[in-house]
Amino acid sequence: NAGVTQTPKFQVLKTGQSMTLQCAQDMNHNSMYWYRQDPGMGLRLIYYSASEGTTDKGEVPNGYNVSRLNKREFSLRLESAAPSQTSVYFCASRGRGRGTYEQYFGPGTRLTVT
Amino acid sequence: AQSVTQLGSHVSVSEGALVLLRCNYSSSVPPYLFWYVQYPNQGLQLLLKYTTGATLVKGINGFEAEFKKSETSFHLTKPSAHMSDAAEYFCAVSDQSRDDKIIFGKGTRLHILP
Repeated sequence: NAGVTQTPKFQVLKTGQSMTLQCAQDMNHNSMYWYRQDPGMGLRLIYYSASEGTTDKGEVPNGYNVSRLNKREFSLRLESAAPSQTSVYFCASRGRGRGTYEQYFGPGTRLTVT
Repeated sequence: AQSVTQLGSHVSVSEGALVLLRCNYSSSVPPYLFWYVQYPNQGLQLLLKYTTGATLVKGINGFEAEFKKSETSFHLTKPSAHMSDAAEYFCAVSDQSRDDKIIFGKGTRLHILP
């Protein structure tokens, strides 16, 4: 039982390049989330998916797209990376039902855009 | 819309002293409330949560928090700080509607003085 996994762990991009951050969970959770973490800003929600086949914008969706490929996987795509997207990205998942209210987080992806 | 305010981006306490980290929230419906801890270069892990029932909740590592509806607060406390408590702490809120969004505060970095 790996929990939430993210790939890659580190990435350096040049401005204008594209990439996809991958996230998978093996806890049969319905909801999945992408956050970015920047110093002094806490975690800001980029996109979330309350169930397979649905996605919704969070606080800072501009410059990103997401795909809920199936119940397990939720990817985040940067189509044209900008230096302002330098950040640490966390994926999380959350179950539903009695006692399962909290999120479980992946280890993060540290992205630098030059 | 939900929001979370954590008072104090940095808090310093002496080893053995009381730890108090403040969190105030806004939510139009009954909230679920969470405290997470993040150690350097790691993901977030759940410290404790309030869903329903008893308003004083106990978590891991000796931490506890009290939900006060009248004050819209969920402050985190620990009677006696330990050096290993040095980390960043995040308060988060979600509500009991079908919207699965979870919003985080900006975090409080806890420093423990020898």
